[in-house]
Amino acid sequence: ETGVTQTPRHLVMGMTNKKSLKCEQHLGHNAMYWYKQSAKKPLELMFVYSLEERVENNSVPSRFSPECPNSSHLFLHLHTLQPEDSALYLCASSQDPVSGITEAFFGQGTRLTVV
Amino acid sequence: SQQGEEDPQALSIQEGENATMNCSYKTSINNLQWYRQNSGRGLVHLILIRSNEREKHSGRLRVTLDTSKKSSSLLITASRAADTASYFCATDEGPYSGAGSYQLTFGKGTKLSVIP
Repeated sequence: ETGVTQTPRHLVMGMTNKKSLKCEQHLGHNAMYWYKQSAKKPLELMFVYSLEERVENNSVPSRFSPECPNSSHLFLHLHTLQPEDSALYLCASSQDPVSGITEAFFGQGTRLTVV
Repeated sequence: SQQGEEDPQALSIQEGENATMNCSYKTSINNLQWYRQNSGRGLVHLILIRSNEREKHSGRLRVTLDTSKKSSSLLITASRAADTASYFCATDEGPYSGAGSYQLTFGKGTKLSVIP
């Protein structure tokens, strides 16, 4: 248990569906992240929030929409996804790296399958 | 863009043997981290080594960093079946921008199998 909880653990959705992934951290961290992990590819950083402000968006398609209502919660809203979006989506948090600490704590991930 | 690249991609050893994994990267870094991932689960942080450090130990783990060669190695001594997992290196490049954002860049990982 890392202190970062993701729900749901598994999700199957059709290409016309709308769903949301949820992430919650109880570590008092200021920064939260969404990563995508596809088979045989490096972990891809999708979004970074620091102090609830989005500071990085690595050219992610608009069918992925993040939301960070407070420093403990992070959502990833999904709509009109494609089968190639099937992957393990990982949430992570860290203390604000300005303090010099950049160790990331990951959730268990949501295994997403788009059919 | 991919920064860390682990070698080998897969490693199979007998229980009790040592396992060595290597990581190479391309740009200057603030620190390098190693993570472990059990199949289909989240990553777990193992150890962080700063750019001004050359070697670090944590239990059965030993990490070295050679900034002149832009490479790092992770050694797991006296391996156990429970060490079976994928191991990733990640580089923190900085500089920090915006409200303190950063990019932690991961490699593709080394899949370690420890045979009982």
